[in-house]
Amino acid sequence: EAQVTQNPRYLITVTGKKLTVTCSQNMNHEYMSWYRQDPGLGLRQIYYSMNVEVTDKGDVPEGYKVSRKEKRNFPLILESPSPNQTSLYFCASSFTGGSEAFFGQGTRLTVV
Amino acid sequence: AQSVTQLDSQVPVFEEAPVELRCNYSSSVSVYLFWYVQYPNQGLQLLLKYLSGSTLVKGINGFEAEFNKSQTSFHLRKPSVHISDTAEYFCAVRANAGNNRKLIWGLGTSLAVNP
Repeated sequence: EAQVTQNPRYLITVTGKKLTVTCSQNMNHEYMSWYRQDPGLGLRQIYYSMNVEVTDKGDVPEGYKVSRKEKRNFPLILESPSPNQTSLYFCASSFTGGSEAFFGQGTRLTVV
Repeated sequence: AQSVTQLDSQVPVFEEAPVELRCNYSSSVSVYLFWYVQYPNQGLQLLLKYLSGSTLVKGINGFEAEFNKSQTSFHLRKPSVHISDTAEYFCAVRANAGNNRKLIWGLGTSLAVNP
């Protein structure tokens, strides 16, 4: 089954404690991206990757890092989380950029 | 640059009634257009997309949308909704040429289907 898998689905952490949200796709997609979804602000892109070892900033990259060492994986790293990063995060993938075809189930992150 | 406006933040409707969710966009270049659906506690799912050709696009779950270039609109319609259509719906647009492939998202329309 074609899917994008995010883990964990829910995470509560404390300010400053490094965390990683994993994202994996099984469709051999070249393009992957991360979004955060906040009430009243909609979906905002954090980072995207056009292919292995090719990543670029989206609209709200501050406080986040990503890496793309393998085609299937695109982890999102928060090295020092802060409460303003409390949000719902989605990973997405597609064959080409700008037509995100598949989304993960989401990761609800709370930073206290 | 592109922008998207979803004209209704909430749309309540009774089961089996028709529904239209409105989306207007602005762009100085030609665009591709998309509708996504987000069911409660789930990720987004692509409903349909307009890339070229026929301006009436059919998607999954009985939804369709019509691209109107003169009105710069891409409204989503369904002739008869079910309770299971209750969800958040997002319209998105991107330029269809050039290096900028980023999707520009609307803020969403919450469709509530009541019995």
